[in-house]
Amino acid sequence: NAGVTQTPKFQVLKTGQSMTLQCAQDMNHEYMSWYRQDPGMGLRLIHYSVGAGITDQGEVPNGYNVSRSTTEDFPLRLLSAAPSQTSVYFCASSYSSQPNNSPLHFGNGTRLTVT
Amino acid sequence: KQEVTQIPAALSVPEGENLVLNCSFTDSAIYNLQWFRQDPGKGLTSLLLIQSSQREQTSGRLNASLDKSSGRSTLYIAASQPGDSATYLCAPENTGNQFYFGTGTSLTVIP
Repeated sequence: NAGVTQTPKFQVLKTGQSMTLQCAQDMNHEYMSWYRQDPGMGLRLIHYSVGAGITDQGEVPNGYNVSRSTTEDFPLRLLSAAPSQTSVYFCASSYSSQPNNSPLHFGNGTRLTVT
Repeated sequence: KQEVTQIPAALSVPEGENLVLNCSFTDSAIYNLQWFRQDPGKGLTSLLLIQSSQREQTSGRLNASLDKSSGRSTLYIAASQPGDSATYLCAPENTGNQFYFGTGTSLTVIP
């Protein structure tokens, strides 16, 4: 199993550009989520989904859009990149959307720089 | 909003030592708490998950305890090895699939 796959690994954008970070999982996981990791701040939840067609906002959703048209894919869209969005982005999934104790599985991250 | 604190921020120990990493959280209304390991340039790997009704979980040389009422969890690593060098993060899960992460403890095990 590939697990959680994120592409690209690295990306440089200019301010105002848009792009999509891809996330795919092959474990038939119900729950998927996006985090950003910044030095000294820990991981913060951007958006999450408890199943196909259902998405919700996390702690820091502004400037990002998501959709969940299939169980496998959960892309994160940056609408108009800003330097404040320079970060490492992680996608994570778990088997169940119920809070009944399914471990989170993480991808290897996308390192994004906005100049 | 849940606030998660991990102490110490960094720890350096000789190989073979037993060590304890601490995690505290402000909102005790959690469903579970997970401990993760993160290697440089990599994603997080789940090590242990403790349900809110449990007091501890064990996996090999790792033991995690949870005191939900006092907002504390500890990760005990026995007989540390150089391969244990990594950053360890804790994350309680609150209502609505919300996980809150600490900033981690960076562990170095010296051969």
